[in-house]
Amino acid sequence: DAGVIQSPRHEVTEMGQEVTLRCKPISGHDYLFWYRQTMMRGLELLIYFNNNVPIDDSGMPEDRFSAKMPNASFSTLKIQPSEPRDSAVYFCASSLKGIAGELFFGEGSRLTVL
Amino acid sequence: KQEVTQIPAALSVPEGENLVLNCSFTDSAIYNLQWFRQDPGKGLTSLLLIQSSQREQTSGRLNASLDKSSGRSTLYIAASQPGDSATYLCAALGGSYIPTFGRGTSLIVHP
Repeated sequence: DAGVIQSPRHEVTEMGQEVTLRCKPISGHDYLFWYRQTMMRGLELLIYFNNNVPIDDSGMPEDRFSAKMPNASFSTLKIQPSEPRDSAVYFCASSLKGIAGELFFGEGSRLTVL
Repeated sequence: KQEVTQIPAALSVPEGENLVLNCSFTDSAIYNLQWFRQDPGKGLTSLLLIQSSQREQTSGRLNASLDKSSGRSTLYIAASQPGDSATYLCAALGGSYIPTFGRGTSLIVHP
């Protein structure tokens, strides 16, 4: 299995630009999680999906953030407009057995907003 | 709300030492406890998953234990090597809350 695949690995953009991060979960996993990691706050859950449906988006910081999962093999996290404080590493993870199941992470997308 | 704490935050040891990393959680009604390793600039790699019905799991030089009643898990690393240098994170899974992570223990094993 290829594991969780994220793209891009690195993104440098200017404040105000739109950023789209992509994730392909492990085939067959029906839970998908988006996390953000910073030195200040550690790993924070932004949103998670079950069977392509958003279940809990209470961690999404602002309306500038949105996430979609149009099918079982693809999810996006969009930031529009981006701000310097959004600079972080964004991780996608998937699980087969719900929010209690073993988590598998992608390599992350490192975002820098200038 | 579940809170997960990892102690120590950082650890520097000479090669060959046996190590214990600690993870504590406030709500004992978890289903599973997962340990991860994170190398700089990389994602989280799963090391061990301890299910609530188990008390420990072993993989090579790693042994993780879980005591739900006291809200604690420990990761034991035997005969540490420089290649073990990384950040180790634990996550409390299940119950009535989202997967919750500790801040990690940054480990350096020097030759």
